[in-house]
Amino acid sequence: NAGVTQTPKFQVLKTGQSMTLQCAQDMNHNSMYWYRQDPGMGLRLIYYSASEGTTDKGEVPNGYNVSRLNKREFSLRLESAAPSQTSVYFCASSPAGSNTGELFFGEGSRLTVL
Amino acid sequence: SQQGEEDPQALSIQEGENATMNCSYKTSINNLQWYRQNSGRGLVHLILIRSNEREKHSGRLRVMLDTSKKSSSLLITASRAADTASYFCAPAKSYSSASKIIFGSGTRLSIRP
Repeated sequence: NAGVTQTPKFQVLKTGQSMTLQCAQDMNHNSMYWYRQDPGMGLRLIYYSASEGTTDKGEVPNGYNVSRLNKREFSLRLESAAPSQTSVYFCASSPAGSNTGELFFGEGSRLTVL
Repeated sequence: SQQGEEDPQALSIQEGENATMNCSYKTSINNLQWYRQNSGRGLVHLILIRSNEREKHSGRLRVMLDTSKKSSSLLITASRAADTASYFCAPAKSYSSASKIIFGSGTRLSIRP
């Protein structure tokens, strides 16, 4: 199994451009998350999704939109990128509803906004 | 939401020594998890301790939980160079539905040869 797959792994944008980060998991997990991590810092929660069709804001949702199109996929969209959104973005999934609650992370998408 | 705050922010020890990291949180929890992040990689789950447990072991890892003090500690015994990483705690309200799991800034552990 691939686990949690993020694409692209690297992206450079100009200020004002838009893009979508894709995340897919093949573990049949109910919950999915998007985090960002700035250099030398911890992770900050952007959005999360308890189940297909539902999304909720995290700590830093401004400037982002998300879509949980189906159980496997949870995408993060930047409509008008800003230099402050330069970061590493991590997607995670969790088997909420089981008795573990463990988060499984992807390897990250490194975004630079010039 | 639940947020864990790790302490210290950075820790440097000699290989073979034990490393202890602490986590504090503010709300009641159902369970608390510890994660490791190697440089530039995604987080990896290490261990989960439930609120009705006081101590849990996994290999060289030992986790303690004190719900009365809203704190947890992670002990890594006989440290190795490969333990160099950042460590994060994640207190969770529930695992029956999606918890708004928020991480702190982590503890950066360096193991000196």
